[in-house]
Amino acid sequence: DIVMTQSPDSLAVSLGERATINCMSSQTILHTSKNKNYLAWYQQKPGQPPKLLIYWASTRESGVPDRFSGSDSGTIFTLTISSLQAEDVAVYYCQQYYRTPITFGQGTRLEIK
Amino acid sequence: EVQLLESGGGLVQAGGSLRLSCEASGFTFSNYAMTWVRQAPGKGLEWVSTVSGDATSTYFADSVRGRFLISRDNSKNTLFLQMNSLRVEDTALYFCAKKSAYCGTDCLGLFDPWGQGTQVTVSS
Repeated sequence: DIVMTQSPDSLAVSLGERATINCMSSQTILHTSKNKNYLAWYQQKPGQPPKLLIYWASTRESGVPDRFSGSDSGTIFTLTISSLQAEDVAVYYCQQYYRTPITFGQGTRLEIK
Repeated sequence: EVQLLESGGGLVQAGGSLRLSCEASGFTFSNYAMTWVRQAPGKGLEWVSTVSGDATSTYFADSVRGRFLISRDNSKNTLFLQMNSLRVEDTALYFCAKKSAYCGTDCLGLFDPWGQGTQVTVSS
C-alpha cells in the first residue's frame, strides 16, 4: 500500500500569514506517460464532508480561491495557503489516487493563532 | 447540481448487518464510478470500496474485503453498501462520493462531491 504522511499534524497561523502543509508518499504516484502526480488535497470543515481543493497535485478545483496552491517535488507534495482567512480553519487531507487501495494522509488541523 | 444522500446507518450489534444507500441526482449516474469512504469518530478518512459505473468492477479495502459488498442500481441512481459481520472498529460516518469529472478512464479515486454521510455504530 502507498502510505501518505502529512506534516505537521496541526498548525496555527495568524490571519493573513502563509500556511504550509506537507505530504509525502511512500512510493511514486507519478503516471510517467501522462506526467501527472495522482495527488489530491481535500478540506474538511467541522460537521461537513470533505471538499476537493486541488487535484493532479497542483490544479485548483473550480471555485477554490487562488490563495490555495499545490506543488510537488518528487514524492513530497505541498499545500500552501498564501494569506490565511478565518474561513480556512479546517482539517486538510492529502490523498493518492494512483492505485488501490486509495490512501489518505492522517490530516493536518489548521487553526488561527 | 450534484446531490448525494446517504441513508441506512444506525446502531447494530457486533456480528450484525446493515445496508447503506446513497441516492444520487444531478448527473448521469451510470457514467461515474462511485465510492464509499468512512471516518471513525475524531479520526481521518479511510477508503472503503469503489464500484465502476457499469458495476462490472469492484474494489475493496483489505479491512472490509469478504465482509462488505458494494453494488449499484443504475435504473434508480442508487449506490449500496451491504455490510456483514460488522465489528466495533467499523463504527464510523460513511460517506458516498462521486468520481470527479477530472478523473479519466484510468483513474478511480478522485472524489467530488461527497455526501453528508450516514452514521454507523457497532456495539459490543
